Amino acid sequence: EADIYQTPRYLVIGTGKKITLECSQTMGHDKMYWYQQDPGMELHLIHYSYGVNSTEKGDLSSESTVSRIRTEHFPLTLESARPSHTSQYLCASSAGTPYNSPLHFGNGTRLTVT
Amino acid sequence: AQTVTQSQPEMSVQEAETVTLSCTYDTSESNYYLFWYKQPPSRQMILVIRQEAYKQQNATENRFSVNFQKAAKSFSLKISDSQLGDTAMYFCAFMKHGGNAGNMLTFGGGTRLMVKP
Repeated sequence: EADIYQTPRYLVIGTGKKITLECSQTMGHDKMYWYQQDPGMELHLIHYSYGVNSTEKGDLSSESTVSRIRTEHFPLTLESARPSHTSQYLCASSAGTPYNSPLHFGNGTRLTVT
Repeated sequence: AQTVTQSQPEMSVQEAETVTLSCTYDTSESNYYLFWYKQPPSRQMILVIRQEAYKQQNATENRFSVNFQKAAKSFSLKISDSQLGDTAMYFCAFMKHGGNAGNMLTFGGGTRLMVKP
């Protein structure tokens, strides 16, 4: 049962549009992450946050931005969507380090930019 | 930077049989953690099993066990008595120990496992 929610589940949008992918968790976790999952299923970390007002870029360069104004909310924004942004985006959270507190993943948002 | 390699993009196994998924990694770290995550079709990714690099004993969780070979930088997952519900994408992941940088997982490319009735 999901304690971390991503909306929308699917999104098809035209080039140049601004979009925000929502991610919320009800577990009070400090740490939150955004992963991009390629069509070939590899996951790459694009953003992470250790708490409110803390955001960092991950290993994979991304044109998206994130914000963390509230503990439970970690939205990802693309100012101008392009076909190269077509992918699945997975949000995750953890209470501590991923060893002591495994990552909880959302169901993902599958984004298609036409 | 760490890399995680899963050399088997797809595998299949008959129900009730045993299957082993391979994972190798490259790191200069001496202390780290390794994980296997499972992503069933259209469902959330969940943790299957985890291993601390400084522990020599292989981790076991019910039907899931690992073969951790630190010198060879190998971390394979064995699934015994395979069940239809084991059908999923399996990801191997690495995490450094300690500090903020240690909170991030590096994932392999995944192995798609199909359990056949």
